[in-house]
Amino acid sequence: NAGVTQTPKFQVLKTGQSMTLQCAQDMNHNSMYWYRQDPGMGLRLIYYSASEGTTDKGEVPNGYNVSRLNKREFSLRLESAAPSQTSVYFCASSRDIQETQYFGPGTRLLVL
Amino acid sequence: AQTVTQSQPEMSVQEAETVTLSCTYDTSENNYYLFWYKQPPSRQMILVIRQEAYKQQNATENRFSVNFQKAAKSFSLKISDSQLGDTAMYFCASGGGADGLTFGKGTHLIIQP
Repeated sequence: NAGVTQTPKFQVLKTGQSMTLQCAQDMNHNSMYWYRQDPGMGLRLIYYSASEGTTDKGEVPNGYNVSRLNKREFSLRLESAAPSQTSVYFCASSRDIQETQYFGPGTRLLVL
Repeated sequence: AQTVTQSQPEMSVQEAETVTLSCTYDTSENNYYLFWYKQPPSRQMILVIRQEAYKQQNATENRFSVNFQKAAKSFSLKISDSQLGDTAMYFCASGGGADGLTFGKGTHLIIQP
C-alpha cells in the first residue's frame, strides 16, 4: 500500500511563478488536508476537503487554491508564488473528518 | 477554536531512560481527540498514539503511553526505555471540530547514546 503520495518532492520557483502540488491516497479515505510546516511553527492547516466535492479554508489559506479532483486526489495550487510561501507542504488523509490522519512524505518548496 | 501548547522546545536524555513530553490544549469541542505524532529527520509524520477524550483510560502503544488529565487539559507523552531511534520532533495535536488538526510547535527529543 502506497498510502499518501505527493509530487514533487522538491521544487524551486521564482517569485510570481505558479505551480500545483499533487496528492493522492489509496486508502479510500473521505477526508483530505493540506498543511504547511515552517520552522518553529508546527503544522498549520491551509485547506481541507471533508468529503469528495467539498473544500474549506483552514488557518492560512491566503495565496492558495485547492481542487478535490476525485476521492483519491487533492491538489494545492499557488497562482503567484511569493517568498513567504517557502515551506514544507504536507498532504494528509483520514477516513472521516475526526479520524486519525495519515501523512504523505512532504514537498519542500523554495521560492526565490 | 483549538490551541495546543508544547512548552519544551528541546529535551535530551540518555538511552534507556524514561522521558515525558508535555502538552496542554484548549478546545470548545465536547467530543475531541488528541494525538502524538513523531517526525524523524526523514520528515515523515508518523502517528505515535491517539486518545479519545471520552475515554478515561490512558492510551498505550508498547513503550509509549499518555497521561491524559481532562480537567487540566493536559496530554503528556511518556516514552519508556528510550532508544536512539526515538530521536525526532514530537508534535501534540488536537482534533474533533469540523476541520483538521491543530498542532503544537513541537518538542525536539534527542536520545544520547
